Amino acid sequence: QSALTQPASVSGSSGQSITISCTGTSSDVGFYNYVSWYQQHPGEAPKLMMFDVNNRPSGVSNRFSGSKSGNTASLTISGLQAQDEADYYCSSYTRSNTHVFGTGTKVTVL
Amino acid sequence: EVQLVQSGAEVKEPGESVKISCKASGYSFATYWIGWVRQMPGKGWEWMGSIYAGDSDIVHSPSFQGQVTISVDKSINTAYLQWSSLKASDTAIYYCARHGYSSSSHYDYWGQGTVVTVSS
Repeated sequence: QSALTQPASVSGSSGQSITISCTGTSSDVGFYNYVSWYQQHPGEAPKLMMFDVNNRPSGVSNRFSGSKSGNTASLTISGLQAQDEADYYCSSYTRSNTHVFGTGTKVTVL
Repeated sequence: EVQLVQSGAEVKEPGESVKISCKASGYSFATYWIGWVRQMPGKGWEWMGSIYAGDSDIVHSPSFQGQVTISVDKSINTAYLQWSSLKASDTAIYYCARHGYSSSSHYDYWGQGTVVTVSS
């Protein structure tokens, strides 16, 4: 099972919007709506930011939104803030009853 | 408050065994799946497998099956990941995480990670 493909880095100025893509196949992202997104600051535990494509857990800012089209899922951060600077990983359940993670994206706030 | 607290860092030599733990609190341990995730130095995350705490049903990643043992002791709300013979390539951070509602779902709570270093 190959990792889902994410851009290595995405950057934006404070207040702008950015979108992180997560490309898989018809056997994972394209097959199920079990796509989730995680934020990880250096040295900290990961934090769930989005689940089942576009559901935000309680406590996560509504500046974060998720979507999916075909084999590609996306996480959009609007009104970018300094605290959004972190690594982001997507994940999907697969037809093989396994989980696969994305390659990870480093978000930089300029 | 849901918490997953993992055991401390381990430094081992190749060929040694180790068992790391993940103690859960703040929820009904036996009714959730717990997964394990590897992060090798400078690399991304890899799903290793998941276990249902109620009956120890396990779903393995093909990449890790036979390489590690996943288990739980529901009497003390603790999940384990163990190796019988470590290799240098097992050097990584290992996270435990709770699945949201089924083994197919997201991870809603994560442990702080356990660093395992294997070096001669």
